[in-house]
Amino acid sequence: NAGVTQTPKFRVLKTGQSMTLLCAQDMNHEYMYWYRQDPGMGLRLIHYSVGEGTTAKGEVPDGYNVSRLKKQNFLLGLESAAPSQTSVYFCASRPTASYEQYFGPGTRLTVT
Amino acid sequence: LAKTTQPISMDSYEGQEVNITCSHNNIATNDYITWYQQFPSQGPRFIIQGYKTKVTNEVASLFIPADRKSSTLSLPRVSLSDTAVYYCLVGISSGSARQLTFGSGTQLTVLP
Repeated sequence: NAGVTQTPKFRVLKTGQSMTLLCAQDMNHEYMYWYRQDPGMGLRLIHYSVGEGTTAKGEVPDGYNVSRLKKQNFLLGLESAAPSQTSVYFCASRPTASYEQYFGPGTRLTVT
Repeated sequence: LAKTTQPISMDSYEGQEVNITCSHNNIATNDYITWYQQFPSQGPRFIIQGYKTKVTNEVASLFIPADRKSSTLSLPRVSLSDTAVYYCLVGISSGSARQLTFGSGTQLTVLP
C-alpha cells in the first residue's frame, strides 16, 4: 500500500497561472480532504469529499476548485494563482468507520 | 466560527508524563475528537480518537469531560523523539453549519 500520495512535491507558479494538484489513495477510503498549512500555522480545510462525485467547501475555499471523479483521486485546482496561496498543501483520506485521517507528504507551492 | 485553542508550546524532560489540552466550546454533537502529531516537513500522523470519557491506546490516552468542551492528550514517559507539534481536530458547530477545524497546535519540546 502506498497510502496517500501527492503530485507534485514542489511547484513554483507565477501570479495568474493555473495548476492542478493530484491526491491519490489506495485504501478505498470514502472521505478525502484538502488542507493548507501556512508557515508556523495550523492546517485549514479547503474542500472535502464524502464520496465519489461529491465535494463540499471547507473553511477557506475561495480561489480553489476540486473534483472527485474517481473514488481514489481528489484533485485541487488553482485557476489563477495569487501570492496569498503560497503554502504547503496536504491531502488526507479516511474510511467511513473511523475518524482517523491518513495524510500525504504534502505539496510545497510558491506563487511569485 | 469559534476556534479550537491549545497552548502554543510546552517543555518537558525525558521520562515525564505530558498533558496537552485543547478547548473546543462549540464541538458538534456527533463529532469525535482526534489528535495528530506532526514533524517538520511531514504530514500529520494520527495518534488517538475519542468521543467521551477516556480512551487509551499503545502510545497515548485521551481524556474527554462530560460536556466535551475540551480534551486532554496524555503522553506517558516522553522521549526526545516525541518532540513535535501536536494538534487536535474537531468538528465545530456554528448555527446549522459544521466545520472541521484543527487546533492552533502545541509545540512540545522534550529535553534530556
